[in-house]
Amino acid sequence: DQQVKQNSPSLSVQEGRISILNCDYTNSMFDYFLWYKKYPAEGPTFLISISSIKDKNEDGRFTVFLNKSAKHLSLHIVPSQPGDSAVYFCAASALQGAQKLVFGQGTRLTINP
Amino acid sequence: SAVISQKPSRDICQRGTSLTIQCQVDSQVTMMFWYRQQPGQSLTLIATANQGSEATYESGFVIDKFPISRPNLTFSTLTVSNMSPEDSSIYLCSVEGRGLAGGETQYFGPGTRLLVL
Repeated sequence: DQQVKQNSPSLSVQEGRISILNCDYTNSMFDYFLWYKKYPAEGPTFLISISSIKDKNEDGRFTVFLNKSAKHLSLHIVPSQPGDSAVYFCAASALQGAQKLVFGQGTRLTINP
Repeated sequence: SAVISQKPSRDICQRGTSLTIQCQVDSQVTMMFWYRQQPGQSLTLIATANQGSEATYESGFVIDKFPISRPNLTFSTLTVSNMSPEDSSIYLCSVEGRGLAGGETQYFGPGTRLLVL
């Protein structure tokens, strides 16, 4: 049973445009959400997080939106840069913190020049 | 942020053997986590390791197959025992921390890529 789902295995975006990565979850107990970026042969790198008491969190070019009623979150990257090409994972936790993370399958983002 | 190293970075092993993966952190941490990423799959939490107590395993993972040691606040090992080809995965350790913007997160090591023949 996949509790965190990233339904798009891949996404291609032109450099300078906005990248939108989506994530859905089924467990209503999840109250903390994170986005990670992963390059080949490296471990995941933390990008941004959001608590369920918020609906938006912004950090530089990265913004995460949370829609609790739809059990949906999205990561916006603007403007997209070639270095953003990587696999992006969303993760969720039911402990109001970054413990016992449940990950989605990942979305491969490619930024085209 | 925490700097995490893992050894070995990769290995090829024969079925029936065991491999111990080491995880070293550059600062003292309470909790360390071990994950597995099977080919084409997401990361799955194997267990949480606290110093001074037995590791807590997630559903589907057992201590006999994945024994974990946590001898101090900067080091942990995960052993993959009696390996089969289905154990071919990337194994990652991680620790709790705080991001630059203050949110809680986990910092991950580079992973150990294991191939079992």
